Amino acid sequence: KAGVTQTPRYLIKTRGQQVTLSCSPISGHRSVSWYQQTPGQGLQFLFEYFSETQRNKGNFPGRFSGRQFSNSRSEMNVSTLELGDSALYLCASSLYGRLNEQFFGPGTRLTVL
Amino acid sequence: KNEVEQSPQNLTAQEGEFITINCSYSVGISALHWLQQHPGGGIVSLFMLSSGKKKHGRLIATINIQEKHSSLHITASHPRDSAVYICAVNAGGTSYGKLTFGQGTILTVHP
Repeated sequence: KAGVTQTPRYLIKTRGQQVTLSCSPISGHRSVSWYQQTPGQGLQFLFEYFSETQRNKGNFPGRFSGRQFSNSRSEMNVSTLELGDSALYLCASSLYGRLNEQFFGPGTRLTVL
Repeated sequence: KNEVEQSPQNLTAQEGEFITINCSYSVGISALHWLQQHPGGGIVSLFMLSSGKKKHGRLIATINIQEKHSSLHITASHPRDSAVYICAVNAGGTSYGKLTFGQGTILTVHP
């Protein structure tokens, strides 16, 4: 079974631009979560999607948004990029249920110049 | 104070040593996860616990719900165990796709 895939793996943008990151979950997984990892703040939860609905959102500004498609693939978008948005963005998929192991993708490393 | 605290932050060991990483949390939880992250970023789930103890190869994870504490043990450590180990929790009452993370423990095992 193929793992979680994320595209692109690396991205360089400049301040003020916007970016879209993509995540394809493991086949059959219906829940996708997004996380941001920075040296200063560590890993932080961004959002969780299930059946095309956002189930939970972390404490991030409205510039961060996401969506999930009917095939469970998910995208996240960051508008008006700031230098502080430079980070590793990870998505994880799981079967939706009470106690679920999350399977992480390799991440997209975003650099904002 | 963070909801999830790990100790130590850095750990250096010689090959073959027994290693323990600790995790304390301050909220009610549905489950606790131990994750491993190698240089380059990829994260692998090692264990998911809601009670008791789990073992996989040389790795053992325990949790004490009453004391809000979990430990990850590595027996007969090997240089390939060098990685960042991260404790994360599903806080009770939140959706199960949301994890709250500790700051991680950087483990270096020397041959």
